Amino acid sequence: SQQGEEDPQALSIQEGENATMNCSYKTSINNLQWYRQNSGRGLVHLILIRSNEREKHSGRLRVTLDTSKKSSSLLITASRAADTASYFCATEGDTSGTYKYIFGTGTRLKVLA
Amino acid sequence: KAGVTQTPRYLIKTRGQQVTLSCSPISGHRSVSWYQQTPGQGLQFLFEYFSETQRNKGNFPGRFSGRQFSNSRSEMNVSTLELGDSALYLCASSLDRPPNYTFGSGTRLTVV
Repeated sequence: SQQGEEDPQALSIQEGENATMNCSYKTSINNLQWYRQNSGRGLVHLILIRSNEREKHSGRLRVTLDTSKKSSSLLITASRAADTASYFCATEGDTSGTYKYIFGTGTRLKVLA
Repeated sequence: KAGVTQTPRYLIKTRGQQVTLSCSPISGHRSVSWYQQTPGQGLQFLFEYFSETQRNKGNFPGRFSGRQFSNSRSEMNVSTLELGDSALYLCASSLDRPPNYTFGSGTRLTVV
């Protein structure tokens, strides 16, 4: 079963607007990552947030982590057409350091010019 | 520096055949992981190799196997192909232990 479930499954916004996507997971984690995938291509690592962090920024990206709710959110500010992609969260299945990362189902973001 | 290289990019095989996919990690990266991506199941972990040893394994049947060579290049093999094996197979490398994977562009396998 999926460790991470992204919400919404699909999102369509206008250029310049902000996009927020959420990820929920089931077990304790050491860290959580967000990746972007352009259509049919490999994934690009965006940002990693550790379990003892609550918020992290990278350029136009802002990630939050709430370990009590087992959830994370990714905010993309001032979106651009080039942000059109699928976004995935990834977590370890447990905290034993098995490096067996489990990816969520993804949010398909479409940014309209 | 060169990224993660996967070959071939596209592959069409017939049911019952076997296939070998190749992955060359970023120079210096010793960990290579493989994932299967399908529309229905999303990204699923196949296995991870580190220094020529399988360090982790996902929940796939024994028809899926892999190996890693001394230069860290990795191959995965699928025997007795089934229609359901049609997927994008992604390879990811990291320096020592994940996280912070660098992914290749994938091999799109179609089984007919």
